[in-house]
Amino acid sequence: DTEVTQTPKHLVMGMTNKKSLKCEQHMGHRAMYWYKQKAKKPPELMFVYSYEKLSINESVPSRFSPECPNSSLLNLHLHALQPEDSALYLCASSQIRDSYNSPLHFGNGTRLTVT
Amino acid sequence: DAKTTQPPSMDCAEGRAANLPCNHSTISGNEYVYWYRQIHSQGPQYIIHGLKNNETNEMASLIITEDRKSSTLILPHATLRDTAVYYCIVRATATNDYKLSFGAGTTVTVRA
Repeated sequence: DTEVTQTPKHLVMGMTNKKSLKCEQHMGHRAMYWYKQKAKKPPELMFVYSYEKLSINESVPSRFSPECPNSSLLNLHLHALQPEDSALYLCASSQIRDSYNSPLHFGNGTRLTVT
Repeated sequence: DAKTTQPPSMDCAEGRAANLPCNHSTISGNEYVYWYRQIHSQGPQYIIHGLKNNETNEMASLIITEDRKSSTLILPHATLRDTAVYYCIVRATATNDYKLSFGAGTTVTVRA
């Protein structure tokens, strides 16, 4: 079990669908992250939120839309995805104060398949 | 972030110590070395991190060379459940740069 909870665990969606991935943590962390991981590849950073504001966007296409409604929740809204967007989407959180000395805590991800 | 170099794969015997090397020759003086592992179909799991001194916790030990250009993660008594991809990461310490960038990692297989 992890302290970062992601739902759903698996998601299959068509290219015209709109869906959302959800992430929740109750560790009081004020930095939250979305990573994307393709099969047999390392995780790649997509977005970073600090104090509920978007601080890093790694040139992610606009069909991925992140949202941080409060300090415990992080969403990733998906629209008009392509089959190549099929991947494991990982959420993580960490402290902000003394951030480089603070580990990221990851959830177990949402396995997304775009058909 | 400083780049890291790890062997792509290694095997080790169950019950023996596993020593995982990592080179980070361009590391800056205030950058931390982090180790994570990822067991199949799970999210990355934090193992340990350090700046200059050797570190030990309930999972592993981290040995950092005096010049900080390389490090070794030691799993003292490897079990089959330690089979995973192990990532060595050097983390930037710039203000407002919270990100963790993963390299290719080492696939460790523990054999009975």
